[in-house]
Amino acid sequence: QLQLQATGPGLVKASETLSLTCTVSGASIRGSSYFWAWIRQPPGKGLEWLGSAFYVKSIYYAPSLRSRVTISVDSSMNQFSLTLTSVSAADTAVYYCATFDSKRLFDHWGRGTLVSVSS
Amino acid sequence: QSALTQPASVSGSPGQSITISCTGTSSDIGAYTFVSWYLQHPGRAPQLIIYEVSSRPSGVSSRFSASKSGNTASLTISGLRAEDECDYYCSSYTTSSTVVFGGGTRLTVL
Repeated sequence: QLQLQATGPGLVKASETLSLTCTVSGASIRGSSYFWAWIRQPPGKGLEWLGSAFYVKSIYYAPSLRSRVTISVDSSMNQFSLTLTSVSAADTAVYYCATFDSKRLFDHWGRGTLVSVSS
Repeated sequence: QSALTQPASVSGSPGQSITISCTGTSSDIGAYTFVSWYLQHPGRAPQLIIYEVSSRPSGVSSRFSASKSGNTASLTISGLRAEDECDYYCSSYTTSSTVVFGGGTRLTVL
């Protein structure tokens, strides 16, 4: 059973960089046909897709965040990561890592990790 | 890209049917059959209930059905139950190889 767990600091200062890691268990990133995705949800608000990556070959980002977001995949550690630079209070959210299938669906989700941005 | 448009809330009584609409554009919903729906209970991660417009993953109740016409997708829940009360989100793949979600719909079972 494929499982995902996002980890990282729960508090980041404004203007600094948010970094999260998603550890994959129950499947190997190296042999997988999945894209690896990040999605966030500000408190009380809806879901926002941040980006999806397939190894280093194909990486796609949300247009509104493209200048600040980077997703990378480390198949040796069976992990993928999210980096978001120059954060502000608007980046406070629960961040989810998920698998993105060839049918363009998110079928496995991590529990989500809350990241708060302090001023 | 703009978020897909969903009603903020819908409600229905137990046993009734409700439909949630999800309106996009010719660059997302209208372009592909890659429309999916998710439910989310408070404090939990979203859960896939519909993919490719109208397909249900294994284990998802047949009370959930969905369709698409033009730039609008719809989710119907029949035989409403108290446990259906939660948030519902649509999403679509886009012609820019990105993904867009709807703003979410809160379902209240009266």
